[in-house]
Amino acid sequence: GQNIDQPTEMTATEGAIVQINCTYQTSGFNGLFWYQQHAGEAPTFLSYNVLDGLEEKGRFSSFLSRSKGYSYLLLKELQMKDSASYLCAGRGSNDYKLSFGAGTTVTVRA
Amino acid sequence: DSGVTQTPKHLITATGQRVTLRCSPRSGDLSVYWYQQSLDQGLQFLIQYYNGEERAKGNILERFSAQQFPDLHSELNLSSLELGDSALYFCASSGGLAGIQETQYFGPGTRLLVL
Repeated sequence: GQNIDQPTEMTATEGAIVQINCTYQTSGFNGLFWYQQHAGEAPTFLSYNVLDGLEEKGRFSSFLSRSKGYSYLLLKELQMKDSASYLCAGRGSNDYKLSFGAGTTVTVRA
Repeated sequence: DSGVTQTPKHLITATGQRVTLRCSPRSGDLSVYWYQQSLDQGLQFLIQYYNGEERAKGNILERFSAQQFPDLHSELNLSSLELGDSALYFCASSGGLAGIQETQYFGPGTRLLVL
C-alpha cells in the first residue's frame, strides 16, 4: 500500500524557509509527486522524484529517500502567495494512479 | 491554465438525481483520471481511462460510472445522488503509459452540491 502521511498545518514568516515532510509505505511505489492547491482550485504540479536525491526548481526543492519511504518539499523565500495546501502523492508502480496525502496547509504570515 | 477543461463548473441538484460531468484532456494526452475531493476525505482517486479503455479503478461507488470516448474526452456519471456526494470532482490527464514521468495535470474541477 501507499499510505501517505504529512503534517496537517504549518505556519511560517514571509521570506523564511519551510520544509514539509511526507512519509509513505514503500511497497508498490514508483514516483513521488508534490502538488500545490489553493482553496477551491485545482492542484498544480510542483515537482516529481523517482530517484533518491534532491530536485531543485527555483524556490521549490523536493527530496526523496526510497529506502526510508520519506520525502520533503522545501519552500524558500516564502511569499504570501505560497499560502496554500501542499499535497504529497505516491504513484502506483502498476497502475499509475496517484494516492494523495491529506495535504499540509501552509500559512505565510507577514 | 493546465489545458484540461471541465464542465460544468458548478452543479446544484437534488438527492436521487443523476448528473454527468465532462472532461476534455490536454491535447495529445491519452489518459484521463477522475478524483473526488471532499472536506473530510481529501483527494480520492476514482477511475482512470487510457485511450478509451478502463485502466485502473479506485474507490468508485457502483452508483458512479465513467467512460472515455474516441475523441478522448471523458464523462463521469453520478446517479442516485446522496448528500454525501457533494464534493469537488477533478479530472486530470497525462500523456499515456509510456515514459517514467507521467505527470498528471488537473482541470479546474466541478463543484457538485446535492441538496
